[in-house]
Amino acid sequence: GQQVMQIPQYQHVQEGEDFTTYCNSSTTLSNIQWYKQRPGGHPVFLIQLVKSGEVKKQKRLTFQFGEAKKNSSLHITATQTTDVGTYFCAAYSGGYQKVTFGIGTKLQVIP
Amino acid sequence: DGGITQSPKYLFRKEGQNVTLSCEQNLNHDAMYWYRQDPGQGLRLIYYSQIVNDFQKGDIAEGYSVSREKKESFPLTVTSAQKNPTAFYLCASSTGFIRTDTQYFGPGTRLTVL
Repeated sequence: GQQVMQIPQYQHVQEGEDFTTYCNSSTTLSNIQWYKQRPGGHPVFLIQLVKSGEVKKQKRLTFQFGEAKKNSSLHITATQTTDVGTYFCAAYSGGYQKVTFGIGTKLQVIP
Repeated sequence: DGGITQSPKYLFRKEGQNVTLSCEQNLNHDAMYWYRQDPGQGLRLIYYSQIVNDFQKGDIAEGYSVSREKKESFPLTVTSAQKNPTAFYLCASSTGFIRTDTQYFGPGTRLTVL
């Protein structure tokens, strides 16, 4: 079955430093979504990537989908305390909602 | 105000008791899902429903049951057969069941079995 590895599991950064989380799949994906979950909250959709090599930006967040559609990354430039939370990738294969969630990367930002 | 509601936010039950978690959506979404979240693990799919009066087992359905009698509602029952029911339960919905449809999550119910 499809396996999705997300690394790192935890990351502590000083405010202003950059942060990156990676999602790697054992199989080729059809698309990938990224979610953010604040402490005590629920996952909230951030972005979806569909095309090979796709790059999307949301302010300080940059999302990439690998050329082989087996990996993806989320990069945050100059982190702020509001970035604190757990970032999940949701990896899709096939035509329907057969999704595998990554374990999540918990980001702590030290002011 | 559209969205997904789950109640209650916190739930305590004694071991051996069945408990039903509520999930309601007013987004007019066809598909609904139940996930379980445990510390250090990704979300795991319990059950999903593509359309009213239809539902399918997910990856960890043992010890759980669902119903989908109305489009807006997808309650989850945690039965006494579930070996380790203490967890954070998340309900989600999506417009349809194709892969590019975004899932919208409810606020979750934290179940503790004593």
